[in-house]
Amino acid sequence: GIQVEQSPPDLILQEGANSTLRCNFSDSVNNLQWFHQNPWGQLINLFYIPSGTKQNGRLSATTVATERYSLLYISSSQTTDSGVYFCAVAFVKAAGNKLTFGGGTRVLVKP
Amino acid sequence: KAGVTQTPRYLIKTRGQQVTLSCSPISGHRSVSWYQQTPGQGLQFLFEYFSETQRNKGNFPGRFSGRQFSNSRSEMNVSTLELGDSALYLCASSLLQGGYEQYFGPGTRLTVT
Repeated sequence: GIQVEQSPPDLILQEGANSTLRCNFSDSVNNLQWFHQNPWGQLINLFYIPSGTKQNGRLSATTVATERYSLLYISSSQTTDSGVYFCAVAFVKAAGNKLTFGGGTRVLVKP
Repeated sequence: KAGVTQTPRYLIKTRGQQVTLSCSPISGHRSVSWYQQTPGQGLQFLFEYFSETQRNKGNFPGRFSGRQFSNSRSEMNVSTLELGDSALYLCASSLLQGGYEQYFGPGTRLTVT
């Protein structure tokens, strides 16, 4: 079936380290977003990236739609980067704006 | 521009009761979607409204319903609450349908006792 898989499920980093989070999806998409969920539960938009590469400060993302994966890069990690990162996609076949979420990557950055 | 707002933020209800949650999208956005987040099932799509019409529906029982008003504000209703309905309910707004970026509200945390 239609799936979104994120890896790794958990990531422990030392402050200052770099990391890569991966999102694999099973079909053609017309939307792919990366979110950071804060401790109160709100999903914070990081990137809207159905294809291509974007950068925002220490974060960057790349989506290779033809190979059905996206990567989120965190450089020089800080303790404030801790939290859960979600990848969510809107599959073309699903129509509308329905987002299918991956299981998330829980990141802990230690000082 | 104000973000997506949801009310109430927290709610405690008893099994068998019903509940109504409200979502106001970003000004000018016409699509509103609802999601349920639980520790066991993760984030799951409930339904999407656009121009006051339900456009898409997730795999939830008929106890879950919603509507959208002419000003794009949306409400969702859960009737005959069950313990398993305890969750964080998130609302997302988008300018239009068809792959547009979505923005989420802070959520309503519902506890059913």
